[in-house]
Amino acid sequence: GAGVSQSPSNKVTEKGKDVELRCDPISGHTALYWYRQSLGQGLEFLIYFQGNSAPDKSGLPSDRFSAERTGGSVSTLTIQRTQQEDSAVYLCASSRRSGPSSYEQYFGPGTRLTVT
Amino acid sequence: DAKTTQPNSMESNEEEPVHLPCNHSTISGTDYIHWYRQLPSQGPEYVIHGLTSNVNNRMASLAIAEDRKSSTLILHRATLRDAAVYYCIQGSYNDYKLSFGAGTTVTVRA
Repeated sequence: GAGVSQSPSNKVTEKGKDVELRCDPISGHTALYWYRQSLGQGLEFLIYFQGNSAPDKSGLPSDRFSAERTGGSVSTLTIQRTQQEDSAVYLCASSRRSGPSSYEQYFGPGTRLTVT
Repeated sequence: DAKTTQPNSMESNEEEPVHLPCNHSTISGTDYIHWYRQLPSQGPEYVIHGLTSNVNNRMASLAIAEDRKSSTLILHRATLRDAAVYYCIQGSYNDYKLSFGAGTTVTVRA
């Protein structure tokens, strides 16, 4: 079946501009996660959505970052006033539910963001 | 911070087994061990997870030490497609955030 999709695959933006990154999770998956991976770094958790519960935003690096999930499906990660240190690959993942089975997270291909 | 320790890199020959060690000395009774891998230019891919008993699936086997302070991911017959960074992750029952460390970079020689 269809996996997690993300768009765009690549985004180049100028410093100070806003960007929106989109994630389409696997149908039926109630949990959705955003991570980012900077060059040569490990993955860094950003935010987690589970059903209708309040999202866990504890990983967002600054108030320039926000995310929403509409209708329990598609999610958008927004970065306002981008900075060069925001350059990274932004990865979205989804899973069926929370609990041990949530560790079977299915990742999308990522969006490579370059801030010039 | 990652709670596990893995070697930086390992090399293997094609069609030979690969044994990837992971130390997780701070593991508690309810922590799971999970393995993901990341092929070049792709997102991470789930491999396997376990709690106490050894686990097998179509991709790999996971051998967990009796004291649970270490584990080994076993790829039974390495292929060129198995060249990737392999991440060993320790997580509590309700901890949905995956904490990735540096992982082990596996190189497979033809």
